[in-house]
Amino acid sequence: EAGVTQFPSHSVIEKGQTVTLRCDPISGHDNLYWYRRVMGKEIKFLLHFVKESKQDESGMPNNRFLAERTGGTYSTLKVQPAELEDSGVYFCASSPLLAAREQYFGPGTRLTVT
Amino acid sequence: QQQVKQSPQSLIVQKGGISIINCAYENTAFDYFPWYQQFPGKGPALLIAIRPDVSEKKEGRFTISFNKSAKQFSLHIMDSQPGDSATYFCAASMNTGFQKLVFGTGTRLLVSP
Repeated sequence: EAGVTQFPSHSVIEKGQTVTLRCDPISGHDNLYWYRRVMGKEIKFLLHFVKESKQDESGMPNNRFLAERTGGTYSTLKVQPAELEDSGVYFCASSPLLAAREQYFGPGTRLTVT
Repeated sequence: QQQVKQSPQSLIVQKGGISIINCAYENTAFDYFPWYQQFPGKGPALLIAIRPDVSEKKEGRFTISFNKSAKQFSLHIMDSQPGDSATYFCAASMNTGFQKLVFGTGTRLLVSP
């Protein structure tokens, strides 16, 4: 069974540019979560999808971040325009509908904003 | 404010020794406490988890000890091996609709040969 995949693995962009991160969850997992770890700090929750519906966006930092999950499969997280403080590692996790807590994480996308 | 506090930040243990990582939480609504292990270049992987109705859970060399009254839980790695060298995160979640994980800051464990 393929795990959670994320693309790209690394991204270096300049302040003010736009970046789109992609996450492909484990097939059949209806729950999809985005988390972020800023260097040296805790991994923080950003948002949660169930299928294509956003269930909880309470962790999104501001309106420069936009997440979508069209068709309930893969998800994208767009940052526009990027700021220096957006640098960090963005993780995606997925879990089955009835076992939401058993979250499987992808390898993350390391975003560096210069 | 940080809801789950983890210590130490880093830890060096000799091969064969016991590694102990501690976490404390404030929110009594948390009812699921997993530990994640992360190797460089990989995502966090679920290692072991406990619910507050038990005080200890053991899986192989890994044991979670849970103290509900003190709102603390810890990970013990017995007979630590160099292959255990990784970053460990404790986490917690509530049994409400969304079940997002709240993480500690992580502990970098180095097991010296």
